[in-house]
Amino acid sequence: DAGITQSPRHKVTETGTPVTLRCHQTENHRYMYWYRQDPGHGLRLIHYSYGVKDTDKGEVSDGYSVSRSKTEDFLLTLESATSSQTSVYFCAIHGTGSTGELFFGEGSRLTVL
Amino acid sequence: DQQVKQNSPSLSVQEGRISILNCDYTNSMFDYFLWYKKYPAEGPTFLISISSIKDKNEDGRFTVFLNKSAKHLSLHIVPSQPGDSAVYFCAASPNAGNNRKLIWGLGTSLAVNP
Repeated sequence: DAGITQSPRHKVTETGTPVTLRCHQTENHRYMYWYRQDPGHGLRLIHYSYGVKDTDKGEVSDGYSVSRSKTEDFLLTLESATSSQTSVYFCAIHGTGSTGELFFGEGSRLTVL
Repeated sequence: DQQVKQNSPSLSVQEGRISILNCDYTNSMFDYFLWYKKYPAEGPTFLISISSIKDKNEDGRFTVFLNKSAKHLSLHIVPSQPGDSAVYFCAASPNAGNNRKLIWGLGTSLAVNP
């Protein structure tokens, strides 16, 4: 199993508060991703990183920022949470080999009231 | 506008029988296709993939078929086991390893009944 841990696993917060989700990997992989999963939308890419301090936007990046100061940690920040950001958030790392399949963390369920 | 469609939200089969999960796509630029399985409260796990240069890829009980002209792929599980009960996601990309451009279907929930 790929060594990916997400924290917190569950969080309830109020609209307008900042929230940071953490993804930690022990695999030393270069590529890391943040997805959100919502009913009716499948998995959508929020941001990804291709190395320390190298990040880029995905399909649904508005309202989110990321940081990667170390290879092992990829942080997702909601500067001012909104109810539309209630979702399950998954971190993933890019596997080795030509197929490059993704290995996912267990998810972080965020509820914004 | 769904580029990857899994038209059956759910499927129920008997243990030991074949499960067939379908996926259609609209973008002719997709060249690489993957299936992931997801259990409740866990992240998705990679199951099997296929490149457009092939029409079939097999891994144990799991076989993926690709019909490029019809823009259709299917995942066959034979024989189905209760532990296969999960949500199955189809995903497509312009090329292998290009996860930045990976597009996901909505998933099909498979229930395998003992």
